[in-house]
Amino acid sequence: DAKTTQPPSMDCAEGRAANLPCNHSTISGNEYVYWYRQIHSQGPQYIIHGLKNNETNEMASLIITEDRKSSTLILPHATLRDTAVYYCIVRGPPGAGSYQLTFGKGTKLSVIP
Amino acid sequence: EPEVTQTPSHQVTQMGQEVILRCVPISNHLYFYWYRQILGQKVEFLVSFYNNEISEKSEIFDDQFSVERPDGSNFTLKIRSTKLEDSAMYFCASSEAGLRTGELFFGEGSRLTVL
Repeated sequence: DAKTTQPPSMDCAEGRAANLPCNHSTISGNEYVYWYRQIHSQGPQYIIHGLKNNETNEMASLIITEDRKSSTLILPHATLRDTAVYYCIVRGPPGAGSYQLTFGKGTKLSVIP
Repeated sequence: EPEVTQTPSHQVTQMGQEVILRCVPISNHLYFYWYRQILGQKVEFLVSFYNNEISEKSEIFDDQFSVERPDGSNFTLKIRSTKLEDSAMYFCASSEAGLRTGELFFGEGSRLTVL
């Protein structure tokens, strides 16, 4: 699986959009970008995933650059409950052989009142 | 909303003792996983389980570890003879169809403290 690089920490004002970047310059053509988050010491929570098109769900939007070497997770209106560590993970296609997710250190997002 | 439940939430044990951590995955899910997180470190994959057998395991998952689905609802992780370095938060997860949808559902974790 391709390696990802994320800033160790970011701050965001409550109510503003939080934009979390991720670099994955070695991503291969069939690898997907997944985002999870971990609030305090709870179990990780799935947010969104995508291949090359931008994706949106009720939690967030995922913007993937055209060359697929980087992506941005957008939380449109951050709340205090969005304070968490956010993990960007690159792995093979859904359903492909490996079942494991490889978590890095992620980005610690602090939402400030 | 359906959720993965884990028991106990916290277990303290003496080194060398056997520990069983229990998980009830989401009912229609077919794939089950254990991950662990040592305090302050990354979340690490241990094992995945499908169709009553291990489908993948990491180097961490050595002979001291075993998994079982004894009764069609519970999914357990057993550590035969605990070591100090087994102290960690253990997360159970389940998914409907491998990683086809990209979504694993994690439980709240079981904190294991080995003294």
